[in-house]
Amino acid sequence: DAKTTQPPSMDCAEGRAANLPCNHSTISGNEYVYWYRQIHSQGPQYIIHGLKNNETNEMASLIITEDRKSSTLILPHATLRDTAVYYCIVRKNNYGQNFVFGPGTRLSVLP
Amino acid sequence: DSGVTQTPKHLITATGQRVTLRCSPRSGDLSVYWYQQSLDQGLQFLIQYYNGEERAKGNILERFSAQQFPDLHSELNLSSLELGDSALYFCASTLEGDYGYTFGSGTRLTVV
Repeated sequence: DAKTTQPPSMDCAEGRAANLPCNHSTISGNEYVYWYRQIHSQGPQYIIHGLKNNETNEMASLIITEDRKSSTLILPHATLRDTAVYYCIVRKNNYGQNFVFGPGTRLSVLP
Repeated sequence: DSGVTQTPKHLITATGQRVTLRCSPRSGDLSVYWYQQSLDQGLQFLIQYYNGEERAKGNILERFSAQQFPDLHSELNLSSLELGDSALYFCASTLEGDYGYTFGSGTRLTVV
């Protein structure tokens, strides 16, 4: 699976949009971009995933560049409860493929 | 509540001992995954089971073993415990064809 690069930490003001970048320049055509987050020491939580089109759900939006070498997770109105480590993972959707978690980005939402 | 149940939540044991961690997947999920999260290693994939059969192995030590039972719950057995085995152990489950995993809240193991 392709590797990803994320900034180790970011701050965001409460109520503002949080934009978390991820580089995955070696992504192949059949690999999806997934985002998970982990709040404190809880189990990781699935947020969103996409292949090449932008995606939106009740939690976030995922913007994937046209060349698919990078993406941005957008939390439109960050709250204090969004403070967490956010993981960007690239993975094929083949049977048996596992999620390989990197160090992620530690997002701190500030009051 | 994610629907994935892990017990116990906390476990303190001595070096050299053996422990069993239990995971009940979401209703209907056939796959179970085990991950270890220690301070210096991050989230590491250990092993995957699908409908009772081992499907993939990651960085699982020989001292560790797992199984998935006919009712689909899974157990992770850790033996000859060392201080370095202290970590959070997470179980996740998924239905084949699902895109995301659902994780449990974890078992915090402390080896003293």
